[in-house]
Amino acid sequence: SSELTQDPAVSVALGQTVRITCQGDSLRSYYASWYQQKPGQAPVLVIYGKNNRPSGIPDRFSGSSSGNTASLTITGAQAEDEADYYCNSRDSSGTVVFGGGTKLTVL
Amino acid sequence: QVQLVESGGGVVQPGRSLRLSCAASGFTFSSYGMHWVRQAPGKGLEWVAVISYDGSNKYYADSVKGRFTISRDNSKNTLYLQMNSLRAEDTAVYYCAKEEAVLLWFGELDPWGQGTLVTVSS
Repeated sequence: SSELTQDPAVSVALGQTVRITCQGDSLRSYYASWYQQKPGQAPVLVIYGKNNRPSGIPDRFSGSSSGNTASLTITGAQAEDEADYYCNSRDSSGTVVFGGGTKLTVL
Repeated sequence: QVQLVESGGGVVQPGRSLRLSCAASGFTFSSYGMHWVRQAPGKGLEWVAVISYDGSNKYYADSVKGRFTISRDNSKNTLYLQMNSLRAEDTAVYYCAKEEAVLLWFGELDPWGQGTLVTVSS
């Protein structure tokens, strides 16, 4: 089965821009989706497809992809963006895989 | 609004079985693929299984294949996960989630239920 790799932890100064990356072979064929999870809460979809935001997700969240790497960018990070972020994608076998998650700290 | 409510979690001994349910409302359940995802305490998300909108296609993570069965009843707007031969490593919060795409699935999960805790322990 395929795997997705994320950096375990990333930090960003308040108001600055941060990029969280996700690498894996499945990303050459399928877009990554990105999820935000705060402590004690269920994950929330923030980016899917080429660069789509569900209703209610601030436009400071954006997504991009190149080759086997997908990126989630937060432009002007806010204190409330501090959370765990996970990527996932489908793979060619029909299954779905998640990355290990990135803990974002807003300084 | 779209709502997913899981139930059926609890404490179960190793080797025993448990069935989880996920009651869906606020959307046309029969048009969307549905997923189960789990999260062990303090760990990351692990995808468990997907079922297509009509139940004709099902896929599983290697870690649960042959032990877990995903199913759905479109007349009751309910998703199920039958878990057999449970192991300590199956201890986790189990979430159900709706696929974003109509009729297909890409692993775009929105929304998620609140989760139900399954603890496998003697």
